[in-house]
Amino acid sequence: AQSVTQPDIHITVSEGASLELRCNYSYGATPYLFWYVQSPGQGLQLLLKYFSGDTLVQGIKGFEAEFKRSQSSFNLRKPSVHWSDAAEYFCAVGVPTTGTASKLTFGTGTRLQVTL
Amino acid sequence: EAGVVQSPRYKIIEKKQPVAFWCNPISGHNTLYWYRQNLGQGPELLIRYENEEAVDDSQLPKDRFSAERLKGVDSTLKIQPAELGDSAVYLCASSTDRGNTEAFFGQGTRLTVV
Repeated sequence: AQSVTQPDIHITVSEGASLELRCNYSYGATPYLFWYVQSPGQGLQLLLKYFSGDTLVQGIKGFEAEFKRSQSSFNLRKPSVHWSDAAEYFCAVGVPTTGTASKLTFGTGTRLQVTL
Repeated sequence: EAGVVQSPRYKIIEKKQPVAFWCNPISGHNTLYWYRQNLGQGPELLIRYENEEAVDDSQLPKDRFSAERLKGVDSTLKIQPAELGDSAVYLCASSTDRGNTEAFFGQGTRLTVV
């Protein structure tokens, strides 16, 4: 069965600083990979996704992520964090299934705090 | 285009009482998911539907939880009777039935069992 590990429970960065959130997955083949963001009291919003092709993917709000097969990682990055980026970030793995939508498994999340 | 709609947003009930959550997915999305998110955790899949068929309900506690998706559109998740440990946010999501597509989430229902 697939699994996702987000080793950092809580990260604090200063506004304007760069950010990297780590995500490692376990799956026998190349899965579909996602990053979602959740603000307090809200549902999950997709930041970016990787299905195949270019291993560096661009998302909304200036985020990007890089798929590294050798490290089974899909880390999320942003060059300059804004105070509005404070939220919970979830990495998810989608396991392709024949003829149906993929099965999504989420990590436990990383809470980002931004100091002014 | 409207997103995934869930109701109610909040629900407080006493233990042993029944409760139901409703979800209206994005139009044209054949796949519907129910997730449970405990405080400080990531969402965990309860059940996944393809049209009206439950194709993955292995994580659904079937002694007290039930779900239905009549006509392959709206879905209802029910808990009867509720226990204190059921307090969580219940998220509904939908997607097309293609494998390489993302799931779109509703705002969730926050359930508190007292």
